This record gives sequence, C-alpha cells and structure tokens, in this order.
Amino acid sequence: TQLLEQSPQFLSIQEGENLTVYCNSSSVFSSLQWYRQEPGEGPVLLVTVVTGGEVKKLKRLTFQFGDARKDSSLHITAAQPGDTGLYLCAGVHASGTYKYIFGTGTRLKVLA
Amino acid sequence: ETGVTQTPRHLVMGMTNKKSLKCEQHLGHNAMYWYKQSAKKPLELMFVYSLEERVENNSVPSRFSPECPNSSHLFLHLHTLQPEDSALYLCASSQGGKGQPYEQYFGPGTRLTVT
Repeated sequence: TQLLEQSPQFLSIQEGENLTVYCNSSSVFSSLQWYRQEPGEGPVLLVTVVTGGEVKKLKRLTFQFGDARKDSSLHITAAQPGDTGLYLCAGVHASGTYKYIFGTGTRLKVLA
Repeated sequence: ETGVTQTPRHLVMGMTNKKSLKCEQHLGHNAMYWYKQSAKKPLELMFVYSLEERVENNSVPSRFSPECPNSSHLFLHLHTLQPEDSALYLCASSQGGKGQPYEQYFGPGTRLTVT
C-alpha cells in the first residue's frame, strides 16, 4: 500500500510561533503538492514541487521537496490564526498520471 | 461563477433513495475527479474522467455511478447507499499535459449523510 504519512497529526500553537509539518513516504514521487482545507470547504492548492531539493516560498510558508523526492516539509514562520486548518500533502508517482495519493493530514490550530 | 462548484452542499438521504451530486468546473480543465473524505481517513480517489472518458475507477461499489456528459460537468449518482457512505464528497478538476504535474482545484464539497 502506498502511503504518505504526515506528522504531527495535530498541532496547537500560539500566534507568532514557528512550526514544521512533515510528509514522508518510502516511494519516489514525480511531483508533490500541499493543500490547506478549512472546515466545510474543499482543499485549496498552496504549492507544487517537482524537483528534488526544490524550495518554494509563499509569504510566511516555506515548502521543501526532499533530495530523493520521497518526502517534503512545510514550515510556517510566525503563525497567525488565519493559518488554522487541515494541511494535506498529495503526490503522484509518475508524471502524466491522475492517481494522486493524499497524506493523512495535519490539523493546525493557531491561538490568538 | 469561477472555479469549481458543487451542488447540493448538504444532502441527507435514506438508504433506499436515489440522488445525484453535481459538479461544474469553470476553469477550462480537461480532467475531473470525485473524492471521498471521511473522518480520520485520507482522501480517497473514487473516479477520474479525462476528456469525458473514465480513466480511473478505484474499486468503488456499484451503488456509486459517475457520469461526465462534457468536460465541464461531472455527476455522481447515488443509489441504495449505506450509513458508512456518509462523508464529504469532493469534486476536483485539473489541466495537465504529458510530463506535467496535474494541479487539482477542488470544489467546496457535498456533505452527505445516509440515514
């Protein structure tokens, strides 16, 4: 079974703190995406990483794809209550395929 | 309307009912997806349509029947569901060429409760 394990599962932090969420697999992915989902809504795409070692920044969010393309991390600097939500990673094993595998999710709560 | 829309947003149905979920994408994409999201489980891919042809059917029970009449519309027909089918059903669309990653854009989902 192909799995994408995310850690931690739950995270509750104070506004202004930094945090890192991890997405790990034993399989190689051709690309990996990160989404944020708020209650009652669908996931919203944040970023796509394709190249091993790639780093992308989106304001206070920094995404990294592992050198071997088996793992990824999401780092948030100075978290804000608006960052609260469910963070999901999703990968595909081969380019040109539709079969996304989604991670187990990290539920983040940022307290004001 | 922009993005991906889904109707209804909430649905309560009995086990003997027949209902349909509707998804419409306004992004000009060529692929559409149905996912099931249950509590404490990762998103499960159910069906994928590319250019109106089903390209993925992930061992989904026959009580779920998809239909894609054109590249902008996707339906999920529901019949004789079980209580364990209660979940958030998400539609997504994407556009990608050969060798390019498919970036999926999701609708808001339909919260289904089977009584």
